[in-house]
Amino acid sequence: GENVEQHPSTLSVQEGDSAVIKCTYSDSASNYFPWYKQELGKRPQLIIDIRSNVGEKKDQRIAVTLNKTAKHFSLHITETQPEDSAVYFCAASKAAGNKLTFGGGTRVLVKP
Amino acid sequence: DGGITQSPKYLFRKEGQNVTLSCEQNLNHDAMYWYRQDPGQGLRLIYYSQIVNDFQKGDIAEGYSVSREKKESFPLTVTSAQKNPTAFYLCASSIAAGDSPLHFGNGTRLTVT
Repeated sequence: GENVEQHPSTLSVQEGDSAVIKCTYSDSASNYFPWYKQELGKRPQLIIDIRSNVGEKKDQRIAVTLNKTAKHFSLHITETQPEDSAVYFCAASKAAGNKLTFGGGTRVLVKP
Repeated sequence: DGGITQSPKYLFRKEGQNVTLSCEQNLNHDAMYWYRQDPGQGLRLIYYSQIVNDFQKGDIAEGYSVSREKKESFPLTVTSAQKNPTAFYLCASSIAAGDSPLHFGNGTRLTVT
């Protein structure tokens, strides 16, 4: 089955700097790649997703890039703010009807 | 916090007892899921259901059981066969399985002593 690896497991950045989280996946047939943010004590929430027919997607300070050949995708957060502190999860799945597999998570701490 | 409701928020049980966690959604979603989250770990899939009266094992189904008799409900039973049941359990739903965004409930923290 699909295997998703996520790095780093923890990331500390200064407020205003950029943060990058990388994920690799094993199944070349995967075509849907969402990112979830989980603040302390709260439920995970979708922040951005990308499909395999797109190489990059942006939403304000957040962007995701996908390299299908290398089977990896990344989350980029620019101009980080204290409210960006959370655990971020990447995930991957194949076509409709298949299950979503999550990476191990990255704990991001933005220092003021 | 409308959409998907998990109850209770905290649950305590003695070892050897079965316990059922509730999950209800009013989003009219076809697919529902149960994930387990342990400290410092990712989300591991226990069971998922793509449609009423159908469900499939996830990556860590041993010691768990589910039912999907109604579209809006997907209860999870943690049986006495589950060796390490103490964990945070998250229920989720999506329009369809696989490539649709997940909507999560607030979770149930189960402690078994």
